[in-house]
Amino acid sequence: DSGVTQTPKHLITATGQRVTLRCSPRSGDLSVYWYQQSLDQGLQFLIQYYNGEERAKGNILERFSAQQFPDLHSELNLSSLELGDSALYFCASSVEGGGAFEQYFGPGTRLTVT
Amino acid sequence: GEDVEQSLFLSVREGDSSVINCTYTDSSSTYLYWYKQEPGAGLQLLTYIFSNMDMKQDQRLTVLLNKKDKHLSLRIADTQTGDSAIYFCAEMGANNLFFGTGTRLTVIP
Repeated sequence: DSGVTQTPKHLITATGQRVTLRCSPRSGDLSVYWYQQSLDQGLQFLIQYYNGEERAKGNILERFSAQQFPDLHSELNLSSLELGDSALYFCASSVEGGGAFEQYFGPGTRLTVT
Repeated sequence: GEDVEQSLFLSVREGDSSVINCTYTDSSSTYLYWYKQEPGAGLQLLTYIFSNMDMKQDQRLTVLLNKKDKHLSLRIADTQTGDSAIYFCAEMGANNLFFGTGTRLTVIP
């Protein structure tokens, strides 16, 4: 158990819908990272937040957004969902903001878009 | 950009050693990592190596780094059936990790 929690574990929704994925980092970690794992794209970095502020952006679509709240939990919002958005979404956390020294991953949320 | 390559599959017999290889492109990466993903689970950080090291040993795991060739390997000694999983190598970018495609290790009893 990494100490990073993610909810829900599974999510099934229809095209065009909007969903919110939630992540709670390890106690004491200030940084949260979101990754997408799909069969065709592999594991891709989406976005990072550090202590409530956006720190870095990767291959995140404009239909996707995220935020980190004062209690340090983070939410990833996916809207206008397409079939191709079906994937495993992982959250990771680390103590530091830059350097990404040790990242600990949550169990993931499996999103299925039908 | 960063590009991390791994072979997709590896099969070994229980008790043998496994060697999983990885090549990366960013010579400025300061840390390189190995993660393990079991079916239906998240990624578990196995070990990492700082770029000024050649080797790191941690129980049954040995990491070798050839910085000149940008080649990283993970050796698992006395491989067990519980080691069957997908193994990802990753290099550290400015703010995030860049992952390889993953190597699916199958351990044959």
